[in-house]
Amino acid sequence: AQTVTQSQPEMSVQEAETVTLSCTYDTSESDYYLFWYKQPPSRQMILVIRQEAYKQQNATENRFSVNFQKAAKSFSLKISDSQLGDAAMYFCAYRSANRDDKIIFGKGTRLHILP
Amino acid sequence: KAGVTQTPRYLIKTRGQQVTLSCSPISGHRSVSWYQQTPGQGLQFLFEYFSETQRNKGNFPGRFSGRQFSNSRSEMNVSTLELGDSALYLCASSRNQRQGNSPLHFGNGTRLTVT
Repeated sequence: AQTVTQSQPEMSVQEAETVTLSCTYDTSESDYYLFWYKQPPSRQMILVIRQEAYKQQNATENRFSVNFQKAAKSFSLKISDSQLGDAAMYFCAYRSANRDDKIIFGKGTRLHILP
Repeated sequence: KAGVTQTPRYLIKTRGQQVTLSCSPISGHRSVSWYQQTPGQGLQFLFEYFSETQRNKGNFPGRFSGRQFSNSRSEMNVSTLELGDSALYLCASSRNQRQGNSPLHFGNGTRLTVT
């Protein structure tokens, strides 16, 4: 069964600095999708960025980028120029592209932004 | 376009009672999935519906059930409530359940407290 592991329950970063959140996953499949979702204190989960496993190029969305290492099964999220509004719970998620399977979430990393 | 709407936002029940939570997806979205979020377990998948059919089910007891109506609105029911059912229940909708990269759009959740 697929698993998603986020080894950092909490992290802190100074405003305007860069922070990297770690995520590893386990799967025997070759075709899948990876996501980072953000959950601010308002509770609504928002998609931050997604990556197709067949694409070698790392996805980027403004200040958010990923480092996707398929062989290592690693999918880290880099947030550049951290802002106070980035404070949230971040969830890494996996979903198979080959089957009608459920999305699997990691347990999350709580990110604090220090002013 | 209205987002995913979950009602009610807060609910307090006593052990042994049953509860029904409601989720209205984004217009045009046919897939609805439900998640239980707790501090210890993170986000756990409950079930997913597509066109009124349950497509996937997580590892929860039979006390947890759901359904989807012809207008794609979904309800989740928990019978014989236990203290451990206290959690944030999130609903998410997506356009096409068969596309693994179809992003999930989440509601604000229902905070259930069982006393």
